[in-house]
Amino acid sequence: GAGVSQSPSNKVTEKGKDVELRCDPISGHTALYWYRQSLGQGLEFLIYFQGNSAPDKSGLPSDRFSAERTGGSVSTLTIQRTQQEDSAVYLCASKGPGRHNEQFFGPGTRLTVL
Amino acid sequence: SQQGEEDPQALSIQEGENATMNCSYKTSINNLQWYRQNSGRGLVHLILIRSNEREKHSGRLRVTLDTSKKSSSLLITASRAADTASYFCATDPSGSRLTFGEGTQLTVNP
Repeated sequence: GAGVSQSPSNKVTEKGKDVELRCDPISGHTALYWYRQSLGQGLEFLIYFQGNSAPDKSGLPSDRFSAERTGGSVSTLTIQRTQQEDSAVYLCASKGPGRHNEQFFGPGTRLTVL
Repeated sequence: SQQGEEDPQALSIQEGENATMNCSYKTSINNLQWYRQNSGRGLVHLILIRSNEREKHSGRLRVTLDTSKKSSSLLITASRAADTASYFCATDPSGSRLTFGEGTQLTVNP
């Protein structure tokens, strides 16, 4: 596709439910990132995939958060037993091969946990 | 504290004026980037300046980098109402993931 896409664009869930957020990166981009942005705040790094290497999970806030990237393309971020503090916009970005680290962002998924 | 901190947190100017935003960071970097975000959704890459560069231009944007002071500035000249957005600087101390500041909210009044 022309850019990074994410689905759903909005998700409202009840506390304690599991949610899955999807990211389709730009075709051919080997790196994929997940960030979280709370209202009025900057971006908080969550996890980073690069090719077939083990992902950098150092930003995941708890073991309720996990992510997969299947076939080096689509990624799914899963949040188990959601809490109200998980409410945020979840942004995905991808990066192509090259010397510089310009990332291309999707439109995000706005998650609201009631 | 956070790598990449912008100031001011909020800036309000009139159309046609110049807007200057600053960013400070703490560790060594390979490059520094500026991104724009409209309405709390996806970010758009504006400009990248490498650690061995001091100044870079792109259209109405001018970015400076002072590695001795670990700071950068973004200047938007002849601002327009459409420039209203949040602006973030981002650094890549590890060469892979980016670390973002909390952003400057720019409002350009028509």
